[in-house]
Amino acid sequence: DAKTTQPTSMDCAEGRAANLPCNHSTISGNEYVYWYRQIHSQGPQYIIHGLKNNETNEMASLIITEDRKSSTLILPHATLRDTAVYYCIALANQAGTALIFGKGTTLSVSS
Amino acid sequence: GAVVSQHPSWVICKSGTSVKIECRSLDFQATTMFWYRQFPKQSLMLMATSNEGSKATYEQGVEKDKFLINHASLTLSTLTVTSAHPEDSSFYICSASVRGGNTEAFFGQGTRLTVV
Repeated sequence: DAKTTQPTSMDCAEGRAANLPCNHSTISGNEYVYWYRQIHSQGPQYIIHGLKNNETNEMASLIITEDRKSSTLILPHATLRDTAVYYCIALANQAGTALIFGKGTTLSVSS
Repeated sequence: GAVVSQHPSWVICKSGTSVKIECRSLDFQATTMFWYRQFPKQSLMLMATSNEGSKATYEQGVEKDKFLINHASLTLSTLTVTSAHPEDSSFYICSASVRGGNTEAFFGQGTRLTVV
């Protein structure tokens, strides 16, 4: 699976958009970009995933560059409850494949 | 989304005893379940991959005789920490992939194990 690089930490004001970047320059053609987050002392929560088109759901938007070497997770209106560690993971979309977590980005949302 | 239930949420045990943690997929069948361990201020570390009806595949450095995994049905996997020691104290998390689905995995809420 391709290695991903994320900033260690980011801050965001409540109500503003949180843009979390991820570099995955060695991603291969069959690998998707997945985003999960982990709120303190809980199991990770799925956010969104995509292959090459931008994706949006009720939680977030995922913007993937045309060359697929990087992506950005956007939380349009961050709340205090969005404070968590966010993980960007690249892997092939194949049932039974384990998610391998890097260090992620600690997002702190403050009022 | 699909629900994965992990039990217990926390457990304290004495050194030398064994502890069993259950992971259930409540509303879907999971061909594959995964077990992770997370130490304070660290990321999740994959311990093993468990396929229903077959032996688990352990990651390098994880002792299979110490961390016994059983995946007897499509909705239940168990992790038993045998002869637990204080260094086994950690946050254990399971996840499950939907049978026949993509790799979107659903996670349990985790089990905080403290060995005293």
